[in-house]
Amino acid sequence: GAGVSQSPRYKVAKRGQDVALRCDPISGHVSLFWYQQALGQGPEFLTYFQNEAQLDKSGLPSDRFFAERPEGSVSTLKIQRTQQEDSAVYLCASSLDGSGANVLTFGAGSRLTVL
Amino acid sequence: KQEVTQIPAALSVPEGENLVLNCSFTDSAIYNLQWFRQDPGKGLTSLLLIQSSQREQTSGRLNASLDKSSGRSTLYIAASQPGDSATYLCAVTNDYKLSFGAGTTVTVRA
Repeated sequence: GAGVSQSPRYKVAKRGQDVALRCDPISGHVSLFWYQQALGQGPEFLTYFQNEAQLDKSGLPSDRFFAERPEGSVSTLKIQRTQQEDSAVYLCASSLDGSGANVLTFGAGSRLTVL
Repeated sequence: KQEVTQIPAALSVPEGENLVLNCSFTDSAIYNLQWFRQDPGKGLTSLLLIQSSQREQTSGRLNASLDKSSGRSTLYIAASQPGDSATYLCAVTNDYKLSFGAGTTVTVRA
């Protein structure tokens, strides 16, 4: 597609519920990133994929967070047993490669509110 | 760990005034530095990308400088317009990861 598409745009979950956030990167983009942006803060790195391989998951806050990209295109970020501190905007970004030479294209984000 | 700081946190100027946004980072071993714009409820739009070997980049009314040795970058926006109102984020790349500042929220008054 023309850009990075994320769904849902807004999600309200009760504490303890599981949520799944989807990212459709730009076609042909090898690298895919997830970032978490809390209110009033800059985005924080969560995880990085190159094709289907998850090369870095060091930013995932806890073992309740899980990300996958099984076929090297669409990615899903899953949060189990959501907590209030998980409330944030989750941004997905893709690039041709992960070298840093290519500009990242960000999606509009998925805003998660945990009640 | 890379720390990125942006000053000021917020800025309000009358239309036509030039804007100066500052960014500092602690680890100078960066691959590049980017300036992004974020509108409420929207994703990030890349404005300028400066490679570590470059000193500045320009695009229209925007000019960004990079002093890697001192860990600083400045974004200049000339002749500001109400449409420039947004949050501006600075980010540095180490390998493939971006480290962001908290942003400067700009309001341009008509």
